Amino acid sequence: SQELEQSPQSLIVQEGKNLTINCTSSKTLYGLYWYKQKYGEGLIFLMMLQKGGEEKSHEKITAKLDEKKQQSSLHITASQPSHAGIYLCGADRGGTASKLTFGTGTRLQVTL
Amino acid sequence: GAGVSQSPSNKVTEKGKDVELRCDPISGHTALYWYRQSLGQGLEFLIYFQGNSAPDKSGLPSDRFSAERTGGSVSTLTIQRTQQEDSAVYLCASSQQGLNQPQHFGDGTRLSIL
Repeated sequence: SQELEQSPQSLIVQEGKNLTINCTSSKTLYGLYWYKQKYGEGLIFLMMLQKGGEEKSHEKITAKLDEKKQQSSLHITASQPSHAGIYLCGADRGGTASKLTFGTGTRLQVTL
Repeated sequence: GAGVSQSPSNKVTEKGKDVELRCDPISGHTALYWYRQSLGQGLEFLIYFQGNSAPDKSGLPSDRFSAERTGGSVSTLTIQRTQQEDSAVYLCASSQQGLNQPQHFGDGTRLSIL
């Protein structure tokens, strides 16, 4: 089984709709990173969460790390075609970010 | 350039050949990472360099894989006697020194073994 489980695996939403992607860990998270990837490209860093209960926002994307630090959610408000891609969560197990363990990814499509 | 640069962007080679993949990290970043992304396995850690410390090679799948980082900057990932299961996208990332610094990724090298 994966250390980091993402749900859903894929998502199709209509432009303007809100959506949430979840990342659940089987172990305590010292740091949780959200990345976005488009086909044929590398990963784009979105946000990093460290403390339980922490919440960060960037433009229309908000990420939260729950109090027990074993689950994170990524919420997109009023989705746009530019939000389409694969969203990956990455976990730092030791606090040094020396090697991240990644989730399986969530593929997001935004229809017009 | 401002970001992590990887070359080549695509590489097709025959089974049994050796390949070298190159990564130029962001200037000033002391940490450098190699990952592999494939359909069946997702994104997997391979190796990590931090300054002059011994690299963490714990993710290398076999002794056919090796990596070097010369002068604390450019890194080369070498795969010897390639096999079909080596086909994947190889991603390089770099980060600044210090705790909880985000890793910044290059666009990867897509390796296809025939």
